[in-house]
Amino acid sequence: RKEVEQDPGPFNVPEGATVAFNCTYSNSASQSFFWYRQDCRKEPKLLMSVYSSGNEDGRFTAQLNRASQYISLLIRDSKLSDSATYLCVVYHGGGSYIPTFGRGTSLIVHP
Amino acid sequence: DVKVTQSSRYLVKRTGEKVFLECVQDMDHENMFWYRQDPGLGLRLIYFSYDVKMKEKGDIPEGYSVSREKKERFSLILESASTNQTSMYLCASRNPTDTQYFGPGTRLTVL
Repeated sequence: RKEVEQDPGPFNVPEGATVAFNCTYSNSASQSFFWYRQDCRKEPKLLMSVYSSGNEDGRFTAQLNRASQYISLLIRDSKLSDSATYLCVVYHGGGSYIPTFGRGTSLIVHP
Repeated sequence: DVKVTQSSRYLVKRTGEKVFLECVQDMDHENMFWYRQDPGLGLRLIYFSYDVKMKEKGDIPEGYSVSREKKERFSLILESASTNQTSMYLCASRNPTDTQYFGPGTRLTVL
């Protein structure tokens, strides 16, 4: 079983739509969670952290559900420029240096 | 702003050549990482270093070695390049209380 799983998509949505992605993790001891964005042929870039209490940054909202072991990313009022692959990242804590990356969810926003 | 730089954006080498990929970070980060990213396979960890002169194998170290003589610099070495090492190579750095920041990547083609 993969440690961090994401639906690869692609999610094809019109401009202005609201779209949500989930990411499930298998290690219940996981402690830190992040969403990264990766544009085609570019490096992953940190989008936002995911806190237990939820985290909102403009049109983006990230949430953590520890009981069901998943994190989510909600994008409101999608823009063409939101088209990218979104990677979830999980750190297992206990002094672990190594995060586990999901394989990413592809989002395509069309006019 | 964290800055991670990689020595080349694009590189073309021949089979059997020795290849050096260099990564430099300017944020005094303790930990540094080398990944490769291939379509459908996501990010795969090659090697990481949690401090100067320290190195640990990741998930796919075969055919690679690394060097970390200074805190800011982490080099990936392909001792004898092969065509199956054609890939996007990404360097990242972090401090233990933070998440990873990536360099722009090196797209290596081995002919």
